[in-house]
Amino acid sequence: KQEVTQIPAALSVPEGENLVLNCSFTDSAIYNLQWFRQDPGKGLTSLLLIQSSQREQTSGRLNASLDKSSGRSTLYIAASQPGDSATYLCAVHQAGTALIFGKGTTLSVSS
Amino acid sequence: DGGITQSPKYLFRKEGQNVTLSCEQNLNHDAMYWYRQDPGQGLRLIYYSQIVNDFQKGDIAEGYSVSREKKESFPLTVTSAQKNPTAFYLCATATDRETEAFFGQGTRLTVV
Repeated sequence: KQEVTQIPAALSVPEGENLVLNCSFTDSAIYNLQWFRQDPGKGLTSLLLIQSSQREQTSGRLNASLDKSSGRSTLYIAASQPGDSATYLCAVHQAGTALIFGKGTTLSVSS
Repeated sequence: DGGITQSPKYLFRKEGQNVTLSCEQNLNHDAMYWYRQDPGQGLRLIYYSQIVNDFQKGDIAEGYSVSREKKESFPLTVTSAQKNPTAFYLCATATDRETEAFFGQGTRLTVV
């Protein structure tokens, strides 16, 4: 059964730092991997979708990479800002089920 | 205004009652999903539907029921058989299971 793990569970950084969030999954037979952002008490906002045939995707200050063979993805946030403070979730899409989520990394960026 | 609408935003249920959470979308997406979120647990899949009049159980379907009579709508009923229903419920849609998924703003259900 697919398991998705996110490390670290929480992260605090000063404004301006570049940072990396990690996501690992146990079964490499995935269609795609998606990164989301969740603010407290809100729904999920899609950040980036990486298809299984892709290595990375970029959107503004965000860059996500995918190494399917090793079961790893990273989300790189450049020049972090207080507005980036949120919980970041990764999820994989595979046959026979819907998105399977990690428990998330809660990011706090201080000014 | 396009997107996914979940209602109500807050819902209170008495012990023994059934309640229904609404999820409506105008994105013309075929796939719809229901997740439950508890603190420290991440999102867990309750039910999903790839097409009208068809749906499958997720990991925690016991105590829940769904219907998919229209493409736009995928209501979730929390029955009295669900012993611990207090949670944040999230609905999501996608064109199909291989494409980007989008989420509604959620319904917070509390048992009183």
